Amino acid sequence: DSGVTQTPKHLITATGQRVTLRCSPRSGDLSVYWYQQSLDQGLQFLIQYYNGEERAKGNILERFSAQQFPDLHSELNLSSLELGDSALYFCASSVGTGGRVAGTGELFFGEGSRLTVL
Amino acid sequence: AQSVAQPEDQVNVAEGNPLTVKCTYSVSGNPYLFWYVQYPNRGLQFLLKYITGDNLVKGSYGFEAEFNKSQTSFHLKKPSALVSDSALYFCAVSPRDSNYQLIWGAGTKLIIKP
Repeated sequence: DSGVTQTPKHLITATGQRVTLRCSPRSGDLSVYWYQQSLDQGLQFLIQYYNGEERAKGNILERFSAQQFPDLHSELNLSSLELGDSALYFCASSVGTGGRVAGTGELFFGEGSRLTVL
Repeated sequence: AQSVAQPEDQVNVAEGNPLTVKCTYSVSGNPYLFWYVQYPNRGLQFLLKYITGDNLVKGSYGFEAEFNKSQTSFHLKKPSALVSDSALYFCAVSPRDSNYQLIWGAGTKLIIKP
């Protein structure tokens, strides 16, 4: 058990809809990362938050947004869903520092949220 | 552009034999290097990392990795494979500039046959 909790584990929805994925990081971790894993795209970094502030942005679509709340949990919002958005979405956390995205520390991943868009 | 290559999509090894999963990178400077493992229907788990020092790094589950600066490689190894080692393995590199963002390889599926 990594200590990172993601909900829901599975989600099936229709094109055009909006969903919210939730992540609770390990106790004490200030950084939260969101990744998308699909069969043909591998592991894609979406966005990172550190202590409530956006720290780094990767290949995140404009239809997607995220935030990190004062209690450090994070939510990834996916809107106007398309078939191609079907994927496994992972949250990871690390202790992090103010000056580095990943630094020398390892990331701790949740079990993922599997999104299916029909 | 900075990149990480895992040249083999899949590696097949018989149980008890040594295994190697290859990783090479094209990143400036002296990056930090990581290996992660993903078991079926699970999240990624950290295996080991290289920051500095000894070129041979030992990690979880009996895995080790050898850093070769001249070849810019960081191959994952295990002396004797177990069926339970079957999983997807990711190499990741963190440059020491540009916010230390992680660059991920595409992953290598390791299959250990009894």
